Amino acid sequence: AQSVTQLGSHVSVSEGALVLLRCNYSSSVPPYLFWYVQYPNQGLQLLLKYTSAATLVKGINGFEAEFKKSETSFHLTKPSAHMSDAAEYFCAVSGTNAGKSTFGDGTTLTVKP
Amino acid sequence: GAGVSQSPSNKVTEKGKDVELRCDPISGHTALYWYRQSLGQGLEFLIYFQGNSAPDKSGLPSDRFSAERTGGSVSTLTIQRTQQEDSAVYLCASSLVWTGNTEAFFGQGTRLTVV
Repeated sequence: AQSVTQLGSHVSVSEGALVLLRCNYSSSVPPYLFWYVQYPNQGLQLLLKYTSAATLVKGINGFEAEFKKSETSFHLTKPSAHMSDAAEYFCAVSGTNAGKSTFGDGTTLTVKP
Repeated sequence: GAGVSQSPSNKVTEKGKDVELRCDPISGHTALYWYRQSLGQGLEFLIYFQGNSAPDKSGLPSDRFSAERTGGSVSTLTIQRTQQEDSAVYLCASSLVWTGNTEAFFGQGTRLTVV
């Protein structure tokens, strides 16, 4: 069994400020973890993924996430927010089969000028 | 095409009617998934196909929902006797293989509105 909890359905930051989107997971097997971004009226796009190679994962658009097994967390960060980062972000966990990925409810990121 | 293509992009239907949603995956991708995204909620897994194996239908919410994948490529999700609670965005995704560490590529979705 697996589950994902994204803390905060809405996060608002100022342009240039740190972005922190929280994700905690539960999995009965070693997990694979993903962050996806969804822009309005578009499908989901992969930002980054953890597949047990390195605990700090760097993704596209300056985002990164750190896998912390002891905290069962996979928080997404970006040092400096840009207006173009405004979107909805989904954390997902999977086991042996990507099709069984379980997604969180999403966090909407707003970036204020 | 280069990406996952879904059609139609928008569909408005009357309660009780049947609808068909189409997904063209990326060429060569052996795994195909359907998810449902309701307003303000995450993605709900519906069904997936992997190669020639029997599909995993464990996420289908009722027997009004069915899906098929012809020739290992195009997939159709059918909803019979639509209800208002079926209104949602239906997302299709495909991946090269079906292992858990493989990225899924998503289409833009079909927004279904049942009136």
